[in-house]
Amino acid sequence: KQEVTQIPAALSVPEGENLVLNCSFTDSAIYNLQWFRQDPGKGLTSLLLIQSSQREQTSGRLNASLDKSSGRSTLYIAASQPGDSATYLCAPHQGAQKLVFGQGTRLTINP
Amino acid sequence: EAGVVQSPRYKIIEKKQPVAFWCNPISGHNTLYWYRQNLGQGPELLIRYENEEAVDDSQLPKDRFSAERLKGVDSTLKIQPAELGDSAVYLCASSLGDRGHSSYEQYFGPGTRLTVT
Repeated sequence: KQEVTQIPAALSVPEGENLVLNCSFTDSAIYNLQWFRQDPGKGLTSLLLIQSSQREQTSGRLNASLDKSSGRSTLYIAASQPGDSATYLCAPHQGAQKLVFGQGTRLTINP
Repeated sequence: EAGVVQSPRYKIIEKKQPVAFWCNPISGHNTLYWYRQNLGQGPELLIRYENEEAVDDSQLPKDRFSAERLKGVDSTLKIQPAELGDSAVYLCASSLGDRGHSSYEQYFGPGTRLTVT
C-alpha cells in the first residue's frame, strides 16, 4: 500500500525566501506525480504534473523534481510571496488514475 | 473554460438524515472521481467513474453511500443515513483519461463541506 509523507508539516518563512517542500513515497512504481495547493476552505489547485519518465517540471516560480528510484519529490518555490501561503499536497499516481495523498505542508509566508 | 462545479458548498444535517452532493465535471472529461477529505488530512478516493461505469469503488462504504453518473457527465454522491463520522469535505475531480500521461492530470472542484450534528 502506497504511503506518502510530507515534511515539514508546517513551515513559516519571511517573504522573498526560496524554499523546498519534501515528499516521500513508499512504492516507486508510480505513473505520474502531482503537486497541488489548497487554500483554506477551498478545493485543490493542480500546480504541476511530473510524468514518471521526467526528472523535473517547471511553472513560473515553481519547480518540482522527481526521483522515482528513491521515492522522493521536492517542490521548490522561488522568491516566496504572501500569496503563496496555503497547504501544499503531493500525490503520486498509483496506476494511471489513483492519487494517494500525503497530509500536506502548511506554508505561511510572512510579509 | 469552466472548472469542476459542485453543489451545495455547505450542508448541515442531523445524523440519520440523507444528503446528496452534485458534481459537474470539466466538459469532455471522461473520468470522474469522488474524494473525502477529513480535517487536517489529504483527500481519499471514494469512487472513480470511467464514463458511466464505476471502475473503482473499493473505498466506498456501500452500506450507506451510493453514487451514480448518468449519461457519463454529471454525478451524484448520496449518504443515507448520515453518521457523525461522515462530517468532512467531499471533493469531486475529473480528468481526460486514456490519452497518455498528461491526460490523467486531475482537476478538483471547490468541495462540499458536510457537517453532521
